[in-house]
Amino acid sequence: GAVVSQHPSWVICKSGTSVKIECRSLDFQATTMFWYRQFPKQSLMLMATSNEGSKATYEQGVEKDKFLINHASLTLSTLTVTSAHPEDSSFYICSAMGQYQETQYFGPGTRLLVL
Amino acid sequence: AQKITQTQPGMFVQEKEAVTLDCTYDTSDPSYGLFWYKQPSSGEMIFLIYQGSYDQQNATEGRYSLNFQKARKSANLVISASQLGDSAMYFCAMREGQGNFNKFYFGSGTKLNVKP
Repeated sequence: GAVVSQHPSWVICKSGTSVKIECRSLDFQATTMFWYRQFPKQSLMLMATSNEGSKATYEQGVEKDKFLINHASLTLSTLTVTSAHPEDSSFYICSAMGQYQETQYFGPGTRLLVL
Repeated sequence: AQKITQTQPGMFVQEKEAVTLDCTYDTSDPSYGLFWYKQPSSGEMIFLIYQGSYDQQNATEGRYSLNFQKARKSANLVISASQLGDSAMYFCAMREGQGNFNKFYFGSGTKLNVKP
């Protein structure tokens, strides 16, 4: 149990385009979802926390107009990188947590390369 | 102050031996959770083990055990009988808050290399 999927796993796009990443909890209801960014050989950096039906809470320094997060249902959250630029290239990981779960469960991640 | 500190950027261990990965934490909350995750080169984060702040016993999951020393604020991971597949990055994490107001803090990670 506790499986989280994330799509796409890889995306290459041109500068200026928008990219949407989906995160789904497959076998549990995720009351909370987290979005992280990870640079090579570094730790995870929390970008935002979203609770189903509520607006996402963004960490300091993360542009909410740049990284749009929607948590429309108990099994789906999306992250849209708007007008992507090369500096947005990174590994993006989502995680999901159910109401009575102790830990978050991670998706496999999405590698974004902006040319 | 850092919430989670992992002081070992890299560790080597011989196959079949035990290894301890260090982690210290900082919190003033009475209720918190401590976690270890494994990240192989594929990038996926794999949950290994959990310890609640009120748990009296050290958590164990197969070859993984968490050496919880509350007074010292340490939560070291012990891997017994290391295997080649254990080579990966290991992250210590702490959860503060409850319900819909959870927040996780991660350490900088330790890269473990298991030698044959």
